[in-house]
Amino acid sequence: SQTIHQWPATLVQPVGSPLSLECTVEGTSNPNLYWYRQAAGRGLQLLFYSVGIGQISSEVPQNLSASRPQDRQFILSSKKLLLSDSGFYLCAWSVRSGTGELFFGEGSRLTVL
Amino acid sequence: AQSVTQPDIHITVSEGASLELRCNYSYGATPYLFWYVQSPGQGLQLLLKYFSGDTLVQGIKGFEAEFKRSQSSFNLRKPSVHWSDAAEYFCAVVNQAGTALIFGKGTTLSVSS
Repeated sequence: SQTIHQWPATLVQPVGSPLSLECTVEGTSNPNLYWYRQAAGRGLQLLFYSVGIGQISSEVPQNLSASRPQDRQFILSSKKLLLSDSGFYLCAWSVRSGTGELFFGEGSRLTVL
Repeated sequence: AQSVTQPDIHITVSEGASLELRCNYSYGATPYLFWYVQSPGQGLQLLLKYFSGDTLVQGIKGFEAEFKRSQSSFNLRKPSVHWSDAAEYFCAVVNQAGTALIFGKGTTLSVSS
């Protein structure tokens, strides 16, 4: 069966520090991968998605970047965090050329102080 | 552009009472529609999905949803709510490119005893 792992689960970082959130998927090949951010009262905002290694699409201009160094690994990064980067970050995967159904990780809570 | 509206930010129902959560979407063609549930601090779990065919779809945990094209709605229902149903509920539609899900802002369900 397929599983998705996301870490760290909780992170407290000072403003201006770097960020790296990692996500890996097991049990499937060539998945589409996604990073969403969830802020209170704002639902889920799509940040990045990837249809293959090295292929990243950005949905929202921001202080963040994403990379996909391996087929089942997706990394969310920042060089310098802002207060507004605080939130709950969710990684997800879907079957390529599927129906769009997403399978989510457990999320990473980022607090920028 | 596609969009999803969940008009109710917060709903409280009594345990054992029926539930209906509203969802309206904006989409030109036949949409792929989803309902997800999120417990506090957790990822999202799929409740049910609609692609085509029967407009009344059954999901997990006793939930169902009805697709009404004329009203651009996909409302979630449950005949008898349990205290464990207290969570946040998200409606989503696949974007026109078929590459990602667009989510509503969510409805928080509280269950009173």
